[in-house]
Amino acid sequence: DTAVSQTPKYLVTQMGNDKSIKCEQNLGHDTMYWYKQDSKKFLKIMFSYNNKELIINETVPNRFSPKSPDKAHLNLHINSLELGDSAVYFCASSQLAGGSEAFFGQGTRLTVV
Amino acid sequence: GESVGLHLPTLSVQEGDNSIINCAYSNSASDYFIWYKQESGKGPQFIIDIRSNMDKRQGQRVTVLLNKTVKHLSLQIAATQPGDSAVYFCAENPSDNFNKFYFGSGTKLNVKP
Repeated sequence: DTAVSQTPKYLVTQMGNDKSIKCEQNLGHDTMYWYKQDSKKFLKIMFSYNNKELIINETVPNRFSPKSPDKAHLNLHINSLELGDSAVYFCASSQLAGGSEAFFGQGTRLTVV
Repeated sequence: GESVGLHLPTLSVQEGDNSIINCAYSNSASDYFIWYKQESGKGPQFIIDIRSNMDKRQGQRVTVLLNKTVKHLSLQIAATQPGDSAVYFCAENPSDNFNKFYFGSGTKLNVKP
């Protein structure tokens, strides 16, 4: 029943490791996003995909690579994790690429030690 | 526990009182705005939206006011309840970059019983 679901909810890993976060939406939306929320609760867009095509890459290090196998899924792979990558990552989706509300997942709290 | 909340503007209100949360936006090209509520450990949840051709919109116990002249948005919550305690974000969607939502820094609402 969950509209936007992401896994895992918590992820603790060591510096230098590679990890993935998965996201799926069952709303039939065409657009999906990844947002990063820092320790001060500031939410910043990282990527936006529309119908499996990348439309926004917001100056994110190329260690972050989103992959959209189909329009219902947008996964985030992170290489060579750094301490500064620790944050909560949110996946979201919206019906349109703009002008409509975005629905958010529950978040993945990534801690790099 | 987290110290994140200490970095956020905080509004404390008594249960039953009305709350007003303010937001300033920067892009005069923004023509769609959303208020989100984020409870601890959850993703942002849509509350209400407004388009730039309106200056007021009402929902259930919530009202959003938009003043385009001074680029100001406010969220009014009537008869605030303990369940309203959360961090509230405004988000703007610019017409010249409609693929993105820009989020404000957030306001923490504490409702005292």
